[in-house]
Amino acid sequence: GESVGLHLPTLSVQEGDNSIINCAYSNSASDYFIWYKQESGKGPQFIIDIRSNMDKRQGQRVTVLLNKTVKHLSLQIAATQPGDSAVYFCAENIRFGNEKLTFGTGTRLTIIP
Amino acid sequence: ETGVTQSPTHLIKTRGQQVTLRCSSQSGHNTVSWYQQALGQGPQFIFQYYREEENGRGNFPPRFSGLQFPNYSSELNVNALELDDSALYLCASSALEPANYGYTFGSGTRLTVV
Repeated sequence: GESVGLHLPTLSVQEGDNSIINCAYSNSASDYFIWYKQESGKGPQFIIDIRSNMDKRQGQRVTVLLNKTVKHLSLQIAATQPGDSAVYFCAENIRFGNEKLTFGTGTRLTIIP
Repeated sequence: ETGVTQSPTHLIKTRGQQVTLRCSSQSGHNTVSWYQQALGQGPQFIFQYYREEENGRGNFPPRFSGLQFPNYSSELNVNALELDDSALYLCASSALEPANYGYTFGSGTRLTVV
């Protein structure tokens, strides 16, 4: 069945350093991928998305890379700040087809001051 | 532009009872999806509503049901509550149109079944 998994459940990074969070997906039909940030007691907050016709997309301090050959997704956060501490989820979707988002279990990112 | 709002924020119910959770979608969005997030896990898709009808359902029993209203707001109803129903219930609204494709989540309702 469909699944989205993460390589590392926890990640600790020194403030100011860059962090990379990885994600593997299994459904080759997925064509839309989203990274969400979830802080304690809150709902998932959109960070960045990417469609399958792209392999890289940049936002403010964040970059998402998509490697369809190995079904791998990564989120790079530059110059991490204490406010980046949260659980990060990748999610996959088939646009205009199967409308559900399939989430992984998440990676907890801790920024060390 | 208003975001997705959910009510109540917290709720405690007894096993066997029924519960109704509510969601107001983001302005401009016409589709609402519901997710269940157990502690320490990723959200799991329950179902989606579009044009007031169910438009896809995850692996949840029939005692999980929903409604969507003409103003695109939605309700999630759970009957015969079980202890395992304790979770954060998230609502996500979306437009599902090419130029505006994407999902916006609310802050959720924390349901505790005792």
